Amino acid sequence: EVQVVQSGGGLVQPGGSLRLSCATSGFTFSNYWMNWVRRAPGKGLEWVANINEDGSKIYYVDAVKGRFTISRDNARTSVYLQLNSLRAEDTAIYYCARAMDFWGQGTLVTVSS
Amino acid sequence: QSLLTQPPSASATPGQRVTISCSGSRSNIGANPVSWFQHLPGTAPRLLFSTNNQRPSGVPDRFSGSKSDTSASLAISGLQSEDEADYYCATWDNGLHAWVFGGGTKLTVL
Repeated sequence: EVQVVQSGGGLVQPGGSLRLSCATSGFTFSNYWMNWVRRAPGKGLEWVANINEDGSKIYYVDAVKGRFTISRDNARTSVYLQLNSLRAEDTAIYYCARAMDFWGQGTLVTVSS
Repeated sequence: QSLLTQPPSASATPGQRVTISCSGSRSNIGANPVSWFQHLPGTAPRLLFSTNNQRPSGVPDRFSGSKSDTSASLAISGLQSEDEADYYCATWDNGLHAWVFGGGTKLTVL
């Protein structure tokens, strides 16, 4: 059974940092691209970043370039999203998704003073 | 402003068929498969259909998708009350090197 379990998130002040984690099981992790997608309050889904199977290709949405970093550990079958220089507009539920075909339950990030 | 254009809302009565459209461009829908997602806030988004891999196991065959040139559509037949949710189209954009989503369509089952 495919499982995607997210952790991290919480309340952080503007300019602060957080690290989101996504632990997976039930499939061959090293064979899949992994993605992070978010949904801000009252808004639609927005893709944030992805990383290829061996971590050699990484892409970001323009709004987070230079502030967020995606990484993966194939030995731990996990993917991570480091969020730095957070802004109020980064407030959202963040979802981890395997190849956009299987999604985690999401973790809430709130940026507020 | 989303690069993929969807109607903001749609509605139909139980048992009816509803279609949701998604319009893009040559760099996204015109070049790559389109995926459709169902999302109820507070839950994990669910892949319903992809124009290359089709329908994942467990998704009822009431959900089907198609693509032509730079447009795509999702059809839901035999509408049920539990289909009331937000629906999104998405695909990879070759120019942006990014996934792009439509703005979402809120489906109401009357």
